[in-house]
Amino acid sequence: AQKVTQAQTEISVVEKEDVTLDCVYETRDTTYYLFWYKQPPSGELVFLIRRNSFDEQNEISGRYSWNFQKSTSSFNFTITASQVVDSAVYFCALSEMGNQFYFGTGTSLTVIP
Amino acid sequence: EAGVTQFPSHSVIEKGQTVTLRCDPISGHDNLYWYRRVMGKEIKFLLHFVKESKQDESGMPNNRFLAERTGGTYSTLKVQPAELEDSGVYFCASSQESYGLESVEQYFGPGTRLTVT
Repeated sequence: AQKVTQAQTEISVVEKEDVTLDCVYETRDTTYYLFWYKQPPSGELVFLIRRNSFDEQNEISGRYSWNFQKSTSSFNFTITASQVVDSAVYFCALSEMGNQFYFGTGTSLTVIP
Repeated sequence: EAGVTQFPSHSVIEKGQTVTLRCDPISGHDNLYWYRRVMGKEIKFLLHFVKESKQDESGMPNNRFLAERTGGTYSTLKVQPAELEDSGVYFCASSQESYGLESVEQYFGPGTRLTVT
């Protein structure tokens, strides 16, 4: 069974709109880590955030915010006032204690000017 | 400090040929991982080295793929003979020793885009 599900394959928004990217994960471990990565058109994976399973505090970094809810096994990512430079593929990933990452299929975000 | 580097950035080969991808991890990182993303699919784990030893190679698709990490520094991933379904982006990642929070962070390289025609 897939451990990380990103149900949204593609999203298009108009610049300045807010957008939320969904991520649902599955694990039996009590200690785990969740990540979001951005893959711009240039191809590299850019680290955005890491969250451990014991820290459910939401986090805000500029226009980015993350909502971690263990009760629903979700780790959603919101971009406020989107910009064209936010256009990229975004991956959610799960790591069970420092081993391999399990990635979702990615959500391709297009911000239309 | 240099990040994870991968070579080549792109490779186009014909079916049946051999290709070797190279990954140079961050200096001092014992853990090295290979991942692959086939078009439209998730990024999937291939294998994990701890220094020069294969810790986990459960993700290797078949015996046409051979990974090595001689001396525990850089790693190579050879595909021989290449098939059409091997096309995709191959990512390498590295992390520090396997203890503590530092080992959780994996630093990814820019990837090698492989196209098999």
